[in-house]
Amino acid sequence: QVTLRESGPALVKPTQTLTLTCTVSGFSLSTSAMCVTWIRQPPGKALEWLARIDWDDDKYYSTSLKTRLTISKDTSKNQVVLTMTNMDPMDTATYYCARMGYGSGSYPDYWGQGTLVTVSS
Amino acid sequence: DIQMTQSPSSLSASVGDTVTITCRASQSSSNYLNWYQQKPGKAPKVLIYAASNLQSGVPSRFSGSGSGTDFTLTISSLQPEDFATYYCQQSYNTPYTFGQGTKLEIK
Repeated sequence: QVTLRESGPALVKPTQTLTLTCTVSGFSLSTSAMCVTWIRQPPGKALEWLARIDWDDDKYYSTSLKTRLTISKDTSKNQVVLTMTNMDPMDTATYYCARMGYGSGSYPDYWGQGTLVTVSS
Repeated sequence: DIQMTQSPSSLSASVGDTVTITCRASQSSSNYLNWYQQKPGKAPKVLIYAASNLQSGVPSRFSGSGSGTDFTLTISSLQPEDFATYYCQQSYNTPYTFGQGTKLEIK
């Protein structure tokens, strides 16, 4: 079955770079029209879309965060990596990765359980 | 970016009631609008995709409608397990955007 699992540090200091890994199973990152997306949610607040990477390595980013985000994948390891530079306490959130299809109308159908990242000195 | 505005932000209802949540896009998102349910401490779960299509396994008391800029999620005959937070999301183009959420509480 399809599963996604996020991993990374639970605590980072302000100005540090965050690296999160999404390890997937049950599907291949190289399969045509397969994409992985990252979404975050600050405590008690709404969902915020961050980035998407497609099977053909096309990448898309949040307008407000694109200067700080990099998404990449390692197909051989079934992993998608999200890095976010210059972390701030406002970036404290639960970070989710999710699988989605390609094109308008696609949607995240399988989600990881999320990983809480706290930014504090 | 397409801005998504949900209303109301919170809603109180009783078991057995029918409730409607609305979502308005700042520009047309065609019918590429999805609805999610989220319970505390859990990842969101898709209920409706492409405005009106029920995700597999989701009870038929959930329904969606709309196109262009105005969309609705209707929950008929509320069950205790339906009390949660609901989000809309446009997937017409990137950057994908979510509404601010509607918290459905028991009256």
